Amino acid sequence: EVQLVESGGGLVQPGRSLKLSCAASGFTFSDYNMAWVRQAPTKGLEWVASISYGGSNTHYGDSVKGRFTISRDNAKSTLYLQMDSLRSEDTATYYCARHQPEMDAWGQGASVTVSS
Amino acid sequence: DIQMTQSPSFLSASVGERVTLSCRASQNINKYLDWYQQKLGEAPKLLIYNTNNLHTGIPSRFSGSGSGTDYTLTISSLQPEDVATYFCLQRNSWPLTFGSGTKLEIK
Repeated sequence: EVQLVESGGGLVQPGRSLKLSCAASGFTFSDYNMAWVRQAPTKGLEWVASISYGGSNTHYGDSVKGRFTISRDNAKSTLYLQMDSLRSEDTATYYCARHQPEMDAWGQGASVTVSS
Repeated sequence: DIQMTQSPSFLSASVGERVTLSCRASQNINKYLDWYQQKLGEAPKLLIYNTNNLHTGIPSRFSGSGSGTDYTLTISSLQPEDVATYFCLQRNSWPLTFGSGTKLEIK
């Protein structure tokens, strides 16, 4: 069974950093592109970033470009999202997703709150 | 960036009714359009990919169609468990963009 489990969320002050992790199991992680998608409270879905299966290609949404970094460790079957210079508008639930290119498996989400 | 416009934003329909949800792109997205279902408090779930391909395990009452800029998700006979918000996603070009969603309720 495909499983994606996010961790690392929490409360952080504006301007600070936070790193999310997504542990994958049930499939060969190194064969798949991966993505982060977020959802602000009571809002819709927003694609954040994607990374190729080998990690050499990355893409970012306009609202996070230059502040967030997506990466992966295929040996650990883990996806990461390093979030720097956090803003209140980054408050959201962050989902990791297997990016086939359709997003066919999702984690349960990690909650990030940016507030002083 | 490609803008995705979903309509209606809210829909109330009866059990057994045929329901149609729409998604319009600001430019041709070459059928790289997926539909996701999100129930309250849950993660999104893939329903349909590349306009009309039903994801594994999704009931056949769900179907998709469209081309160019206009796409449709149809539920042939609405069931109580279909209460959810439905989002479209274009994957034709970066950045990927979601529609704002259609919230579907039972009348």
